[in-house]
Amino acid sequence: AQKVTQAQTEISVVEKEDVTLDCVYETRDTTYYLFWYKQPPSGELVFLIRRNSFDEQNEISGRYSWNFQKSTSSFNFTITASQVVDSAVYFCALSGTAGGTSYGKLTFGQGTILTVHP
Amino acid sequence: EAGVAQSPRYKIIEKRQSVAFWCNPISGHATLYWYQQILGQGPKLLIQFQNNGVVDDSQLPKDRFSAERLKGVDSTLKIQPAKLEDSAVYLCASSPDPGVGEQYFGPGTRLTVT
Repeated sequence: AQKVTQAQTEISVVEKEDVTLDCVYETRDTTYYLFWYKQPPSGELVFLIRRNSFDEQNEISGRYSWNFQKSTSSFNFTITASQVVDSAVYFCALSGTAGGTSYGKLTFGQGTILTVHP
Repeated sequence: EAGVAQSPRYKIIEKRQSVAFWCNPISGHATLYWYQQILGQGPKLLIQFQNNGVVDDSQLPKDRFSAERLKGVDSTLKIQPAKLEDSAVYLCASSPDPGVGEQYFGPGTRLTVT
Protein backbone atom coordinates (compact mmCIF):
# COMPACT_ATOMS: atom_id res chain seq x y z
CA ALA A 1 0.00 0.00 0.00
CA GLN A 2 1.11 3.52 -0.71
CA LYS A 3 1.02 6.37 1.77
CA VAL A 4 1.85 10.06 1.60
CA THR A 5 2.25 12.16 4.73
CA GLN A 6 2.24 15.94 4.86
CA ALA A 7 2.83 16.66 8.52
CA GLN A 8 2.24 20.41 8.24
CA THR A 9 -1.48 21.06 8.26
CA GLU A 10 -1.21 24.83 7.98
CA ILE A 11 1.62 27.29 7.40
CA SER A 12 1.36 31.05 7.64
CA VAL A 13 4.10 33.37 6.35
CA VAL A 14 4.54 36.99 5.44
CA GLU A 15 5.14 37.94 1.84
CA LYS A 16 8.74 37.54 0.63
CA GLU A 17 9.53 34.88 3.20
CA ASP A 18 10.78 31.52 1.98
CA VAL A 19 8.64 28.52 2.91
CA THR A 20 9.21 24.77 2.68
CA LEU A 21 6.41 22.22 2.51
CA ASP A 22 7.34 18.74 3.69
CA CYS A 23 6.30 15.45 2.11
CA VAL A 24 7.20 11.93 3.19
CA TYR A 25 6.03 8.85 1.31
CA GLU A 26 5.87 5.08 1.63
CA THR A 27 5.71 2.62 -1.25
CA ARG A 28 6.75 -0.94 -2.05
CA ASP A 29 7.16 -0.15 -5.74
CA THR A 30 10.76 0.06 -6.92
CA THR A 31 9.91 2.77 -9.44
CA TYR A 32 7.33 5.46 -8.95
CA TYR A 33 6.40 9.05 -9.64
CA LEU A 34 6.09 11.88 -7.15
CA PHE A 35 3.98 14.97 -7.73
CA TRP A 36 3.04 18.29 -6.27
CA TYR A 37 -0.34 19.87 -7.00
CA LYS A 38 -1.68 23.28 -6.02
CA GLN A 39 -5.35 23.81 -5.15
CA PRO A 40 -6.24 27.52 -5.06
CA PRO A 41 -9.54 28.73 -3.57
CA SER A 42 -11.23 28.13 -6.93
CA GLY A 43 -10.88 24.42 -6.20
CA GLU A 44 -9.16 23.13 -9.33
CA LEU A 45 -6.04 21.03 -8.75
CA VAL A 46 -3.14 22.45 -10.73
CA PHE A 47 -0.23 20.19 -11.65
CA LEU A 48 3.14 21.64 -10.61
CA ILE A 49 5.77 18.93 -11.04
CA ARG A 50 6.37 15.23 -11.64
CA ARG A 51 9.56 13.53 -10.50
CA ASN A 52 10.68 10.00 -11.45
CA SER A 53 12.06 7.91 -8.60
CA PHE A 54 15.28 7.20 -10.48
CA ASP A 55 16.01 10.91 -10.91
CA GLU A 56 17.20 12.47 -7.65
CA GLN A 57 18.35 15.73 -9.17
CA ASN A 58 16.79 18.72 -7.50
CA GLU A 59 14.73 20.95 -9.73
CA ILE A 60 14.16 24.68 -9.79
CA SER A 61 11.43 26.49 -11.70
CA GLY A 62 11.35 30.19 -11.04
CA ARG A 63 10.55 30.69 -7.36
CA TYR A 64 9.74 27.01 -6.91
CA SER A 65 12.25 24.30 -6.08
CA TRP A 66 11.95 20.65 -5.16
CA ASN A 67 14.28 18.50 -3.07
CA PHE A 68 13.95 14.74 -3.61
CA GLN A 69 15.82 12.46 -1.21
CA LYS A 70 15.18 8.79 -1.80
CA SER A 71 17.19 7.81 1.30
CA THR A 72 14.67 9.54 3.55
CA SER A 73 11.63 9.04 1.27
CA SER A 74 11.04 12.76 1.15
CA PHE A 75 10.04 15.15 -1.62
CA ASN A 76 9.98 18.67 -0.20
CA PHE A 77 8.80 21.79 -1.97
CA THR A 78 10.23 25.26 -1.36
CA ILE A 79 8.74 28.57 -2.46
CA THR A 80 11.28 31.38 -2.44
CA ALA A 81 10.14 34.96 -1.82
CA SER A 82 6.52 33.93 -1.32
CA GLN A 83 3.69 36.02 -2.72
CA VAL A 84 0.05 36.42 -1.75
CA VAL A 85 -0.94 34.54 -4.93
CA ASP A 86 0.87 31.48 -3.56
CA SER A 87 -1.86 31.10 -0.93
CA ALA A 88 -3.49 27.72 -1.60
CA VAL A 89 -3.61 24.13 -0.44
CA TYR A 90 -0.64 22.13 -1.69
CA PHE A 91 -0.81 18.38 -2.15
CA CYS A 92 2.00 15.90 -2.52
CA ALA A 93 1.08 12.71 -4.39
CA LEU A 94 2.56 9.38 -5.42
CA SER A 95 1.81 6.89 -8.19
CA GLY A 96 3.34 3.70 -9.45
CA THR A 97 4.91 3.23 -12.87
CA ALA A 98 4.22 0.44 -15.36
CA GLY A 99 4.33 -2.97 -13.71
CA GLY A 100 3.77 -1.55 -10.24
CA THR A 101 0.73 -2.22 -8.13
CA SER A 102 -0.29 1.41 -8.21
CA TYR A 103 0.24 2.05 -11.90
CA GLY A 104 -1.56 5.21 -12.95
CA LYS A 105 -3.22 5.75 -9.55
CA LEU A 106 -2.51 8.85 -7.50
CA THR A 107 -2.31 8.63 -3.71
CA PHE A 108 -2.52 12.07 -2.15
CA GLY A 109 -1.35 13.44 1.16
CA GLN A 110 -3.69 15.39 3.41
CA GLY A 111 -2.52 18.70 2.04
CA THR A 112 -0.85 21.76 3.56
CA ILE A 113 -2.76 25.02 3.70
CA LEU A 114 -0.37 27.87 2.90
CA THR A 115 -1.41 31.41 3.71
CA VAL A 116 0.83 34.25 2.60
CA HIS A 117 0.04 37.56 4.28
CA PRO A 118 0.85 40.91 2.64
CA GLU B 1 -6.49 23.26 -25.46
CA ALA B 2 -9.68 23.00 -23.42
CA GLY B 3 -9.35 21.56 -19.94
CA VAL B 4 -11.46 18.99 -18.14
CA ALA B 5 -15.07 20.14 -17.93
CA GLN B 6 -17.46 19.21 -15.13
CA SER B 7 -21.05 20.03 -14.34
CA PRO B 8 -22.80 21.06 -12.28
CA ARG B 9 -20.37 23.06 -10.16
CA TYR B 10 -22.61 22.94 -7.09
CA LYS B 11 -25.44 20.68 -6.01
CA ILE B 12 -27.52 20.56 -2.84
CA ILE B 13 -29.79 17.57 -2.27
CA GLU B 14 -31.53 15.89 0.62
CA LYS B 15 -30.41 12.52 1.91
CA ARG B 16 -31.90 9.55 0.06
CA GLN B 17 -32.22 11.57 -3.14
CA SER B 18 -30.17 10.74 -6.22
CA VAL B 19 -27.66 12.93 -8.07
CA ALA B 20 -25.50 12.68 -11.18
CA PHE B 21 -22.30 14.43 -12.16
CA TRP B 22 -20.92 14.81 -15.66
CA CYS B 23 -17.33 15.01 -16.87
CA ASN B 24 -15.81 15.73 -20.28
CA PRO B 25 -12.07 14.99 -20.32
CA ILE B 26 -9.36 16.67 -22.36
CA SER B 27 -9.68 15.63 -25.98
CA GLY B 28 -7.68 12.50 -26.75
CA HIS B 29 -7.16 11.48 -23.13
CA ALA B 30 -7.88 7.77 -22.84
CA THR B 31 -7.75 7.56 -19.06
CA LEU B 32 -10.43 9.13 -16.88
CA TYR B 33 -10.63 9.23 -13.08
CA TRP B 34 -13.25 10.18 -10.51
CA TYR B 35 -12.06 11.31 -7.08
CA GLN B 36 -13.90 12.21 -3.90
CA GLN B 37 -12.42 15.01 -1.81
CA ILE B 38 -13.88 15.43 1.66
CA LEU B 39 -13.24 18.79 3.30
CA GLY B 40 -9.77 18.95 4.81
CA GLN B 41 -8.52 15.81 3.08
CA GLY B 42 -6.71 14.89 -0.09
CA PRO B 43 -8.63 13.47 -3.06
CA LYS B 44 -9.42 9.76 -2.90
CA LEU B 45 -9.74 7.72 -6.09
CA LEU B 46 -13.20 6.27 -6.67
CA ILE B 47 -12.88 4.79 -10.16
CA GLN B 48 -10.47 4.70 -13.10
CA PHE B 49 -11.48 4.15 -16.74
CA GLN B 50 -9.24 3.28 -19.66
CA ASN B 51 -11.25 4.23 -22.75
CA ASN B 52 -14.69 2.83 -21.88
CA GLY B 53 -13.50 0.00 -19.63
CA VAL B 54 -13.14 0.06 -15.85
CA VAL B 55 -9.55 -0.42 -14.66
CA ASP B 56 -10.08 0.03 -10.94
CA ASP B 57 -13.27 0.56 -8.94
CA SER B 58 -12.10 -1.05 -5.71
CA GLN B 59 -12.85 2.07 -3.65
CA LEU B 60 -16.23 2.82 -5.21
CA PRO B 61 -19.14 2.15 -2.78
CA LYS B 62 -21.02 0.10 -5.32
CA ASP B 63 -24.18 -0.20 -3.26
CA ARG B 64 -24.89 3.46 -3.95
CA PHE B 65 -22.34 4.79 -6.45
CA SER B 66 -22.17 3.96 -10.14
CA ALA B 67 -20.17 5.36 -13.03
CA GLU B 68 -20.05 4.86 -16.76
CA ARG B 69 -18.06 6.01 -19.76
CA LEU B 70 -20.06 4.53 -22.59
CA LYS B 71 -18.26 5.91 -25.65
CA GLY B 72 -14.85 6.30 -24.09
CA VAL B 73 -15.17 10.08 -23.83
CA ASP B 74 -17.69 11.66 -21.42
CA SER B 75 -18.39 10.07 -18.07
CA THR B 76 -21.20 10.19 -15.54
CA LEU B 77 -20.97 9.46 -11.82
CA LYS B 78 -24.22 8.76 -9.98
CA ILE B 79 -25.10 8.47 -6.31
CA GLN B 80 -28.37 6.79 -5.37
CA PRO B 81 -29.44 7.16 -2.60
CA ALA B 82 -27.21 9.87 -1.16
CA LYS B 83 -26.09 9.90 2.46
CA LEU B 84 -24.92 12.80 4.60
CA GLU B 85 -21.33 11.50 4.46
CA ASP B 86 -21.33 11.84 0.65
CA SER B 87 -20.99 15.60 1.06
CA ALA B 88 -17.72 16.34 -0.70
CA VAL B 89 -16.17 17.72 -3.87
CA TYR B 90 -16.20 15.23 -6.73
CA LEU B 91 -13.24 15.74 -9.02
CA CYS B 92 -12.80 14.36 -12.50
CA ALA B 93 -9.31 14.01 -13.99
CA SER B 94 -7.91 12.76 -17.27
CA SER B 95 -4.58 11.61 -18.58
CA PRO B 96 -3.30 10.62 -22.05
CA ASP B 97 -2.42 7.24 -20.56
CA PRO B 98 -1.56 5.90 -17.09
CA GLY B 99 2.14 5.77 -17.91
CA VAL B 100 2.33 9.53 -18.34
CA GLY B 101 1.86 9.97 -14.63
CA GLU B 102 0.37 13.41 -14.29
CA GLN B 103 -3.37 13.87 -14.33
CA TYR B 104 -5.30 16.99 -15.27
CA PHE B 105 -8.20 17.93 -13.07
CA GLY B 106 -11.52 19.63 -13.65
CA PRO B 107 -12.98 22.29 -11.33
CA GLY B 108 -15.02 19.73 -9.40
CA THR B 109 -18.63 19.48 -8.28
CA ARG B 110 -19.33 20.46 -4.69
CA LEU B 111 -22.10 18.24 -3.32
CA THR B 112 -23.94 19.07 -0.12
CA VAL B 113 -26.31 16.45 1.28
CA THR B 114 -28.72 17.77 3.92
